[in-house]
Amino acid sequence: KQEVTQIPAALSVPEGENLVLNCSFTDSAIYNLQWFRQDHGKGLTSLLLIQSSQREQTSGRLNASLDKSSGRSTLYIAASQPGDSATYLCAVVSGSRLTFGEGTQLTVNP
Amino acid sequence: NAGVTQTPKFRILKIGQSMTLQCTQDMNHNYMYWYRQDPGMGLKLIYYSVGAGITDKGEVPNGYNVSRSTTEDFPLRLELAAPSQTSVYFCASSYLAGPPYGYTFGSGTRLTVV
Repeated sequence: KQEVTQIPAALSVPEGENLVLNCSFTDSAIYNLQWFRQDHGKGLTSLLLIQSSQREQTSGRLNASLDKSSGRSTLYIAASQPGDSATYLCAVVSGSRLTFGEGTQLTVNP
Repeated sequence: NAGVTQTPKFRILKIGQSMTLQCTQDMNHNYMYWYRQDPGMGLKLIYYSVGAGITDKGEVPNGYNVSRSTTEDFPLRLELAAPSQTSVYFCASSYLAGPPYGYTFGSGTRLTVV
């Protein structure tokens, strides 16, 4: 059974700081890994999708890496802004299922 | 350009009542999923479908039923609502489970059982 863990559960940083969110998974036989953002009380917005054959993906200030052999992914956010405050969810696709971590709640203080 | 549409957005049910949460996607995706998200938690898979006429249980299927008569629709049925089913429900779809396809989520249905 695939299990996904995200560390830390919560993070508070001052505006402008670079930060890293961590995701680990137990079964390395994954098809891809997807990072989502969830604003409070809202649905999920896809940020980045990394295929199992890739090592990283970039979109603007976001960079996600994938190391299948160690079962880890990181989401790097550069020059954080108050608008980045949200919960960030990591999810892995293995078999026909998408398994989620419990998320990291990020607060960026002005 | 609707994507995944869920209705209703909010609902309050009394214990023992039943209801159907609707989910429709217009992207011709084969795979559809129902998740629930409890406060401060990640998403747990309830049921999923890999195509019309095919459904399977996820991690937390008890108390729910689904059907998939068309590619577009994947309704979730609660037969006897219980307070433990108070949650936010998300429907999602994907063309395929493997690369390079990702998942698209609906905006959620917030259900309270009292």
